[in-house]
Amino acid sequence: GAGVSQSPRYKVAKRGQDVALRCDPISGHVSLFWYQQALGQGPEFLTYFQNEAQLDKSGLPSDRFFAERPEGSVSTLKIQRTQQEDSAVYLCASSASGQGISPYNEQFFGPGTRLTVL
Amino acid sequence: AQSVAQPEDQVNVAEGNPLTVKCTYSVSGNPYLFWYVQYPNRGLQFLLKYITGDNLVKGSYGFEAEFNKSQTSFHLKKPSALVSDSALYFCAVRDILKAAGNKLTFGGGTRVLVKP
Repeated sequence: GAGVSQSPRYKVAKRGQDVALRCDPISGHVSLFWYQQALGQGPEFLTYFQNEAQLDKSGLPSDRFFAERPEGSVSTLKIQRTQQEDSAVYLCASSASGQGISPYNEQFFGPGTRLTVL
Repeated sequence: AQSVAQPEDQVNVAEGNPLTVKCTYSVSGNPYLFWYVQYPNRGLQFLLKYITGDNLVKGSYGFEAEFNKSQTSFHLKKPSALVSDSALYFCAVRDILKAAGNKLTFGGGTRVLVKP
């Protein structure tokens, strides 16, 4: 596709429910990132994939957060037993850069999924 | 650890006047620096980046930024602001050191309001 797409665009969950957020990166992009953006703040890094390998998950706030990219393209961010503090916009980004590949390329962001936990 | 500071929560400017959005950074190694813009209910759009070379970087929509290593700054500028430039602007840094990974660290954002 022309850009990074994310679905759903909006998700309302009751506290304690599990949610799954999907990201379709730009075709051929090696790297995929997830960020969390709280209201009025800048995005904060959650996790990074190069192809199907999750190389950095240092930003995941708890073990309730899990991400996968099994075939090296589409990625899913799963949040188990959602809490009110999980309410945020979840941004996905992809880049042609990766380890061993030119590191200079910018990240392209999707429109985000706005998660509201009631 | 890498960090970015955007000292102004909001910048107000009259249409046609110069616009400056400030950014300072901290990294262990040399920085890759980026500016993104965010419009309501949309993702971040890339404006420009500094990797190496000329300290003055030109980007999309007439924006430019000046890298100053001694002041660890990367301020965004536009000579003549438009009402349509009103948006949220984010500065981001990536450390060149491999150990730091590929993630971007963002500042808190600066809201720009351009008045007609």
